[in-house]
Amino acid sequence: DAKTTQPPSMDCAEGRAANLPCNHSTISGNEYVYWYRQIHSQGPQYIIHGLKNNETNEMASLIITEDRKSSTLILPHATLRDTAVYYCIAPRSAGNKLTFGGGTRVLVKP
Amino acid sequence: SQTIHQWPATLVQPVGSPLSLECTVEGTSNPNLYWYRQAAGRGLQLLFYSVGIGQISSEVPQNLSASRPQDRQFILSSKKLLLSDSGFYLCAWETGSSEAFFGQGTRLTVV
Repeated sequence: DAKTTQPPSMDCAEGRAANLPCNHSTISGNEYVYWYRQIHSQGPQYIIHGLKNNETNEMASLIITEDRKSSTLILPHATLRDTAVYYCIAPRSAGNKLTFGGGTRVLVKP
Repeated sequence: SQTIHQWPATLVQPVGSPLSLECTVEGTSNPNLYWYRQAAGRGLQLLFYSVGIGQISSEVPQNLSASRPQDRQFILSSKKLLLSDSGFYLCAWETGSSEAFFGQGTRLTVV
């Protein structure tokens, strides 16, 4: 799998936007970037994925740089329920397995 | 719609006892199936990966084994549990072209 690098933790104020960075400099041209989050004691939940273009859904927006070496997940108005570990992965490479790194532990504070 | 069932939700087992965790998927065919373990405060460790019936890839040496007797059934087993087998076990499926779906997990405590 293409290696992804994320900051281990970050805090965010409730109601503000949370911008979560991810570096994936070894990603191949046809490899999607996926974002998941894991709320304590639950299984990971899919958030969004993208290839080249920016993507938006009801949960978040995904901004992918033109060279595709990094991306940013944006939670536009963070709530306390967004407190979770957020994982950025790029699984569609040799081996094609879904493996997770350490993720970013996001704490939304009131 | 696709669903994934994983049971039991919690399990307390003595050291040396056997283990069997089952995961079944509905609403899809020929999924890729996964077993993960998560120790307290740690990340998701991939244990087993299967692309088809009887095809199991073990990712780390360990005290556990996996089997896939049917297309949408994935079983995690152990003949003799160790204390270090305690953790949160998650089953997941995906088709290689979209997102993955996870079960609710089994919290195993070996005592």
